[in-house]
Amino acid sequence: EVQLLESGGGLVQPGGSLRLSCVVSGITFKNYAMTWVRQAPGKGLEWLSTIGGGGCCASYPDSVKGRFTISRDNSKNTLYLQMNSLRAEDTAVYYCAKRITTNGPSTLDRWGQGTLVTVSS
Amino acid sequence: EIVLTQSPGTLSLSPGERATLSCRASQSVSSTYLAWYQHKPGQAPRLLMYSTSSRATGIPDRFSGSGSGTDFTLTISRLEPEDFAVYYCQQYVVTPETFGQGTKVEI
Repeated sequence: EVQLLESGGGLVQPGGSLRLSCVVSGITFKNYAMTWVRQAPGKGLEWLSTIGGGGCCASYPDSVKGRFTISRDNSKNTLYLQMNSLRAEDTAVYYCAKRITTNGPSTLDRWGQGTLVTVSS
Repeated sequence: EIVLTQSPGTLSLSPGERATLSCRASQSVSSTYLAWYQHKPGQAPRLLMYSTSSRATGIPDRFSGSGSGTDFTLTISRLEPEDFAVYYCQQYVVTPETFGQGTKVEI
């Protein structure tokens, strides 16, 4: 069974940093691109970043570009999201999700339960 | 950026009724790159449909998808109690990937 387990969320002050992790089991991790998506309170889903199976070709929306960095360690079956210069509007539940291909556009077929990040003083 | 607009915002129906959810794109989207997800509070989002009309593994056949260009539809033929949730469409053909704002299907 495919499982994705996020961790690393919590309360952080504006301007602070946080690193989220997502441990994946039940698949050959390196064979799949991975994605981070978030949901702010009362809002819809927002795509944050995608990284290819080999660690290639990360991309970001303008809202987080230059502040967030996606990475992965295929030896640990783990996906990361480094978040710097956090703002109140980054408060959200952060989900990791698995894509169905190694690279290129594809759908998100498995999601984690999410981890809550709260940015507040 | 491709903006996806879902309608209606909320759909109030009863079990056994038919639900029709709309997703309109601000520019044409290849049907290969349009998906639908179901999301319940406190749970992981769940893939329902990909490539517009292909059901994901384990999704019952009361769910169906259709559309092309800028207009896409998710249909639930007969609502079951477990279908009451929020539904999102997503395009993943270009970055930034975008989701619609969601349609809540409520009793």
